Amino acid sequence: DSGVTQTPKHLITATGQRVTLRCSPRSGDLSVYWYQQSLDQGLQFLIQYYNGEERAKGNILERFSAQQFPDLHSELNLSSLELGDSALYFCASTPGLAGFDEQFFGPGTRLTVL
Amino acid sequence: AQKITQTQPGMFVQEKEAVTLDCTYDTSDQSYGLFWYKQPSSGEMIFLIYQGSYDEQNATEGRYSLNFQKARKSANLVISASQLGDSAMYFCAIGTPGRRALTFGSGTRLQVQP
Repeated sequence: DSGVTQTPKHLITATGQRVTLRCSPRSGDLSVYWYQQSLDQGLQFLIQYYNGEERAKGNILERFSAQQFPDLHSELNLSSLELGDSALYFCASTPGLAGFDEQFFGPGTRLTVL
Repeated sequence: AQKITQTQPGMFVQEKEAVTLDCTYDTSDQSYGLFWYKQPSSGEMIFLIYQGSYDEQNATEGRYSLNFQKARKSANLVISASQLGDSAMYFCAIGTPGRRALTFGSGTRLQVQP
C-alpha cells in the first residue's frame, strides 16, 4: 500500500459526460501528479500541483482540468468525454517539488467511456 | 527533453532463473534519477528501485538490482531467482530536476513460467 488513495476505482460513463476523479496523497506529501495510461499512448503525464498551486503541465487536454484543495487532496475533472478518454488514470505524490523523487502511485481509476 | 526506450515488448523466464529487462535513456541533464516500476495485472504501479545519476554503486533492493552503465545510458533491471508473482509489466522511468514528472518507457511484459 503506497498510502495514496484514489476514488472511484472504476467509472463507466457515456460520451459527452463529465466526471471527477479524486486523489488523496500520502500524509505529508505536498505534490500531486496526474497520469493517464492508455493502450496506444502509454503512461502520459497530465499535470502537477504543489501545495495548492499548479506547477507543471504535460499532455493535458483543454477538456480536462484539475485542482488541489487546502487539505492537499486533488481532483481531476474530465468533461465532454470521448471514447478515446477511456484509460487508467493514476495519481502520484511526492514530498516536494523535485522531478526525480520517487513517486508513490495510487491504485488508479479505470475510466470507461461508452 | 528526455526519453526512455524499452526494446523488449515481452519476455519469458523460467521460475528461479534470473532475467534482465533492458532500458536505455536519453537526457541532456547531468543530474537525473532512474526508476523501475512494476505493474501487475491488477493495475497498480509498484516502485521497485531507484538509481541516481551520481550514485557510483549499482542500486539493489532484495532480488532487484539495477545495472547502471552511465556511458552507455543504460539502466537495466535484473531480477534474480524469478517467482511466478513477478509476472507483470515493468516500466523504466527517468526524472530530472527541470521536468517535474517522470517520463516512462513503453514497458516490458514479463511472464514467469513454472
